[in-house]
Amino acid sequence: DAKTTQPNSMESNEEEPVHLPCNHSTISGTDYIHWYRQLPSQGPEYVIHGLTSNVNNRMASLAIAEDRKSSTLILHRATLRDAAVYYCILRDVSHSGGSNYKLTFGKGTLLTVNP
Amino acid sequence: GAGVSQSPSNKVTEKGKDVELRCDPISGHTALYWYRQSLGQGLEFLIYFQGNSAPDKSGLPSDRFSAERTGGSVSTLTIQRTQQEDSAVYLCASSLERASHEQYFGPGTRLTVT
Repeated sequence: DAKTTQPNSMESNEEEPVHLPCNHSTISGTDYIHWYRQLPSQGPEYVIHGLTSNVNNRMASLAIAEDRKSSTLILHRATLRDAAVYYCILRDVSHSGGSNYKLTFGKGTLLTVNP
Repeated sequence: GAGVSQSPSNKVTEKGKDVELRCDPISGHTALYWYRQSLGQGLEFLIYFQGNSAPDKSGLPSDRFSAERTGGSVSTLTIQRTQQEDSAVYLCASSLERASHEQYFGPGTRLTVT
């Protein structure tokens, strides 16, 4: 799996937007960009995914650079409940073969939200 | 609807004993995964089941670890002759199918080997 690089930690204030960056300079054309987050003492939780175009859902937005070598997860108004470790993961789900079904987690970014 | 459930939530066992961890995936999900999260190694893949296909056991750390999935639903992860380095949170996830973008994780089983 292609490697991703994220900052170890970030801090935000409640009700302010948060931009979580991820670098993936070796991304292949069929790699999807996935974001998961893990709240304290819980299992990981899917947040969003995208391939080339920016994506929005009820939880967040995903902005993907034109060359796809980086992406940014955007939380529009951080709440205390958003404090978690955020993982950026590349995964090729376009092929039936290989081991593309598993998630390969890095260390992620620990987001702290201040009240 | 019901999510992925795991039992027990916590397990303390003595070194050398066998343990069984259970996972109930979301109904209708054909793909099931086990991961492990420990302080030293982060979150790592262990094993994957897809329908009636042979499981991918490539992530199992030793032959003391085994898993089965009965009837395409419930899965059990068994660790024989537990060691202290097996202490970790064991997480189960399921997805609708192999290529699904979303994997749904259970709350995990915290295993402590004394």
